[in-house]
Amino acid sequence: QVQLVQSGPEVKKPGTSVKVSCKTSGFSFSRSTVQWVRQARGQRLEWIGWIVVGSGNTNYAQKFQERVTITRDMSTSTAYMELSSLRSEDTAVYYCAAADCSTTSCYAFDYWGQGTLVTVSS
Amino acid sequence: EIVLTQSPGTLSLSPGERATLSCRASQSVSSSYLAWYQQKPSQAPRLLIYGASSRATGIPDRFSGSGSGTDFTLTISRVEPEDFAVYYCQQYGSSPHTFGGGTKVEIK
Repeated sequence: QVQLVQSGPEVKKPGTSVKVSCKTSGFSFSRSTVQWVRQARGQRLEWIGWIVVGSGNTNYAQKFQERVTITRDMSTSTAYMELSSLRSEDTAVYYCAAADCSTTSCYAFDYWGQGTLVTVSS
Repeated sequence: EIVLTQSPGTLSLSPGERATLSCRASQSVSSSYLAWYQQKPSQAPRLLIYGASSRATGIPDRFSGSGSGTDFTLTISRVEPEDFAVYYCQQYGSSPHTFGGGTKVEIK
C-alpha cells in the first residue's frame, strides 16, 4: 500500500536550519509531484512549495523563496524540505503530500505523510 | 496572491442534513484548479475533490464539488457522523497555492 513516512520531531534554535524527509513507497515516485504544507497550532494550512519529481523542477511560495529548498532522491523515493534561518513563527507541523501522475492528476494530492512537528525555541 | 475566503466559519448540522460549504477566490482560479480537503484533529488532511469537481479515489459520492472562476462549493448530500471535521479549499492555479481559512462542520 501507499506510504509516506516523515522524519521525527525536531527542536531547533532560532537562526538554524531543519531538513525534513518524506520516504515514499507503493506508488510511482518518479512520476509524481510532492508538495509541502505546514500548519501552526490552531491555524490554517499554509503551502510552502512543490517539486515535480521526474524533472526536479520546483516552485516555492514567495514567502519562503529565500529560505526553503525542496529536493528528492530518486534512488530512495524520498523527498526533502529544508528550511533555513528558522524563527519562532516557523513552529508548526510540516506535511508532505504526493500526487501520482501515472494514475490520476498531478495535482490530486491523495497521499499524505503523518506530519513532522518542528519547534523553534531558544 | 489569490486569497480564498471560506464560509461559513462554522456549520452546525445534525446527521442526515445537507451541508453546503463555500469557497470564494479574490481572483479567478485558472482551469478550475481547486481542491477540497477534510481534516480531523491531529490528522493529516484528506483529499476529497480536485479539479473543482472530480472526486478523489475512495471518496463517497455524498461529497460533490462544483463551481468555476471565483466561486466554488463543496456539498455533502447527507452528513454522516464521520463527516464532522474541518474542510479546507486550496487553489493550485497560480503560485502560491493558497488555502482557505477552513469551515468547521460540527454536530448540532
